[in-house]
Amino acid sequence: DAGVIQSPRHEVTEMGQEVTLRCKPISGHDYLFWYRQTMMRGLELLIYFNNNVPIDDSGMPEDRFSAKMPNASFSTLKIQPSEPRDSAVYFCASSFEGPSPQHFGDGTRLSIL
Amino acid sequence: QKEVEQDPGPLSVPEGAIVSLNCTYSNSAFQYFMWYRQYSRKGPELLMYTYSSGNKEDGRFTAQVDKSSKYISLFIRDSQPSDSATYLCAMSAGQTGANNLFFGTGTRLTVIP
Repeated sequence: DAGVIQSPRHEVTEMGQEVTLRCKPISGHDYLFWYRQTMMRGLELLIYFNNNVPIDDSGMPEDRFSAKMPNASFSTLKIQPSEPRDSAVYFCASSFEGPSPQHFGDGTRLSIL
Repeated sequence: QKEVEQDPGPLSVPEGAIVSLNCTYSNSAFQYFMWYRQYSRKGPELLMYTYSSGNKEDGRFTAQVDKSSKYISLFIRDSQPSDSATYLCAMSAGQTGANNLFFGTGTRLTVIP
């Protein structure tokens, strides 16, 4: 069975450009999470969805960040305009309802020049 | 004080050694405890998942939870070079509708052949 699928795996772009990261969660999972990982801060939760509805976006660093989940099998995280300090690895994870573990994709390594 | 504290290491051990990885936490509401393994340039992969206090064994891996001390451990017996990775502890209070995981910063382990 396929796990969480993220694309692209790597993205290099110039400051000011729009960046869109994509995620396909595991089929049947009710929750979807977006994380950012850096050496300095570790894994940080940015936003999570339950049944396609955003529940908590308090981790989104600024208005430049936005996330959508138009259906149960697809979500995007958008940064516009991008800045060098946004460089990090962005992970998507999904899980079932209740106290079940989260399953992660392999991430998008983002570099903003 | 962080919710979850984990020694970042790095930790280097010879092949065949017993490895002990640990996390402490401050929130007594945590009931679900996980260990994730993260290889370089990959997403965190669920390794162990336990509920409340006690031990859980899976092959060479044993997870221990001591809720009275707010302390969890992962033991790796007969460590192998393929165990070289970053290990992250994670925990959750597990309330329905609030699947948030609190992560440690990860311990980087190297097993030397």
